Amino acid sequence: SQQGEEDPQALSIQEGENATMNCSYKTSINNLQWYRQNSGRGLVHLILIRSNEREKHSGRLRVTLDTSKKSSSLLITASRAADTASYFCATDAWSDMRFGAGTRLTVKP
Amino acid sequence: GAGVSQSPSNKVTEKGKDVELRCDPISGHTALYWYRQSLGQGLEFLIYFQGNSAPDKSGLPSDRFSAERTGGSVSTLTIQRTQQEDSAVYLCASSLDRTGLGYFGPGTRLTVT
Repeated sequence: SQQGEEDPQALSIQEGENATMNCSYKTSINNLQWYRQNSGRGLVHLILIRSNEREKHSGRLRVTLDTSKKSSSLLITASRAADTASYFCATDAWSDMRFGAGTRLTVKP
Repeated sequence: GAGVSQSPSNKVTEKGKDVELRCDPISGHTALYWYRQSLGQGLEFLIYFQGNSAPDKSGLPSDRFSAERTGGSVSTLTIQRTQQEDSAVYLCASSLDRTGLGYFGPGTRLTVT
């Protein structure tokens, strides 16, 4: 069964707006990672947050982790059309990585 | 480059035939994972190798699927008697260890006709 579950499944916004995606998981983790997948392309790693971290920034990305709620959020600020992609979270519980179904983000120019 | 590589990039096969997909992980990475992504679907975990430990095969969808990792490096995913529902992109990833950052290969697009 899948470990990470992203929410919402699809998100459509205008360029310049912020996009927030959420991920929930079921078991204890060592770290949580967010990936992006452009249509027809491979997965690109975005950011990793460890279980003892609560927030992490990378450029226009901000990730939070709440281990008590077993959830994480990915915020993309000042979105661009090039941010249009599917976003996946992955956890490493039990020495493996399990992915959710992803959030499909569409940024309209 | 020093990334994860997969071959072939595309494979078209007839229903009932066997196929082998190859993954070359990043040198020194002890953990290797196989996933597949069917059209419009999310990523589905298939199998995980960690060092010399027995692999976690809990994601393999049927006994037609098998994988091996020779010498702790290259891995081969074998699908026997392929079915049309096996059509998907098969992704391989590796990481330094079980808690490390995962790096993905470009995938193999398998089409079963």
